Amino acid sequence: AQSVTQPDIHITVSEGASLELRCNYSYGATPYLFWYVQSPGQGLQLLLKYFSGDTLVQGIKGFEAEFKRSQSSFNLRKPSVHWSDAAEYFCAVRDAGNMLTFGGGTRLMVKP
Amino acid sequence: EPEVTQTPSHQVTQMGQEVILRCVPISNHLYFYWYRQILGQKVEFLVSFYNNEISEKSEIFDDQFSVERPDGSNFTLKIRSTKLEDSAMYFCASSASTGSNEKLFFGSGTQLSVL
Repeated sequence: AQSVTQPDIHITVSEGASLELRCNYSYGATPYLFWYVQSPGQGLQLLLKYFSGDTLVQGIKGFEAEFKRSQSSFNLRKPSVHWSDAAEYFCAVRDAGNMLTFGGGTRLMVKP
Repeated sequence: EPEVTQTPSHQVTQMGQEVILRCVPISNHLYFYWYRQILGQKVEFLVSFYNNEISEKSEIFDDQFSVERPDGSNFTLKIRSTKLEDSAMYFCASSASTGSNEKLFFGSGTQLSVL
């Protein structure tokens, strides 16, 4: 069965600093990988996705993620964090059907 | 950007009561989903729905749960006899396709509290 692990429950960074959120997955075949963001009172918004091809994918809001098969990882990065990036971030893997399996989430706090 | 709309945003019910959570997916979407998130836990898949039938469901989605698309716009999740452990945030989602271009749009959720 597929699974997703986000090792960091909480992360605090200073505004303007770089960010990396970790995600490790377990899946038998080539995974479809996603990062979602959830702001308070909002639904889950798709930041980016990886299906195949270039292992570095660009998303919205200046985010990018790199798929590393050898490490079973799909870490999310942003070079310079803004206060508005404070939210909860979820990594997810999709199976051959439609079912998304989510990680436990990482809550990002941004210090001024 | 188009939105998935969920109502109500909060629902409080007594244990054993039936609840219906409502969702209006994006109008040209064909695939519909329910997920839930118990406080402090992961977001979990419940069910996917296409062409007026369930295409996939998880172990959570037992006989107490049902989904329906009663008209051309609504997609509902019914819990027949709620239990305390059904308290969670329930997210509806929709997508136009399931292939590599698939993008899942989520609603803002309904917080269900079972007392």
